[in-house]
Amino acid sequence: SYVLTQPPSVSVAPGQTARITCGRNNIGSESVHWYQKKPGQAPVVVVFDDSDRPPGIPERFSGSNSGNTATLTISRVEAGDEADYYCQVWDSNNGHLWVFGGGTKLTVL
Amino acid sequence: QVQLVESGGGVVQPGRSMRLSCAASGFTFGSYGMHWVRQAPGKGLEWVAIIWYDGSKKYYADSVKGRFTISRDNSKSTLYVQMNSLRAEDTAIYYCARGYYYVSGTYSPGDSFDYWGQGTLVTVSS
Repeated sequence: SYVLTQPPSVSVAPGQTARITCGRNNIGSESVHWYQKKPGQAPVVVVFDDSDRPPGIPERFSGSNSGNTATLTISRVEAGDEADYYCQVWDSNNGHLWVFGGGTKLTVL
Repeated sequence: QVQLVESGGGVVQPGRSMRLSCAASGFTFGSYGMHWVRQAPGKGLEWVAIIWYDGSKKYYADSVKGRFTISRDNSKSTLYVQMNSLRAEDTAIYYCARGYYYVSGTYSPGDSFDYWGQGTLVTVSS
């Protein structure tokens, strides 16, 4: 099955840089999207197609994807960035599945 | 502005059925693929199903295949999911989400889910 591996948690102090990874063999050949999920709120896409940002998403959010790892980078982290983050990929090779990673809890210290 | 509003959730006994709806507005509903995604209590996001912009194709997660049916009525700008043989593990908040945009024969099913509803809670319990 198609599995995307994320660390369960990442902690960072305000103003520092958070990096959240999403791993799978040869994920660099896929298009990866990242979602922010806060309790009681709907998910929001923060990065799509590996490194593009939707309108309204701060430039502090960026993405990259190469080899076996995709990375969401949040620069100058703020308290309001505390949330769960999920990577997501379309697996077109195995019966058309849209797959989420297990999620990473970002804690702002 | 784009709005997606889910309805139809509630408490249902194991083995019974339930239908969820998602009313869309603010965009040309019939030009977009649409998804259902769920989040069980304390768990991560799980993709459930997709329906093509014209209803011609439907795909399901293995966990719901054969029990759930996704459908749409483009004349009413509404997305549905019929859930049969419900199990305790189907307990979750169910979100509808907008997927790819179809235009002039061009589309990419792998596009991101760019708008989401606020979700509706389904609790399967006796």
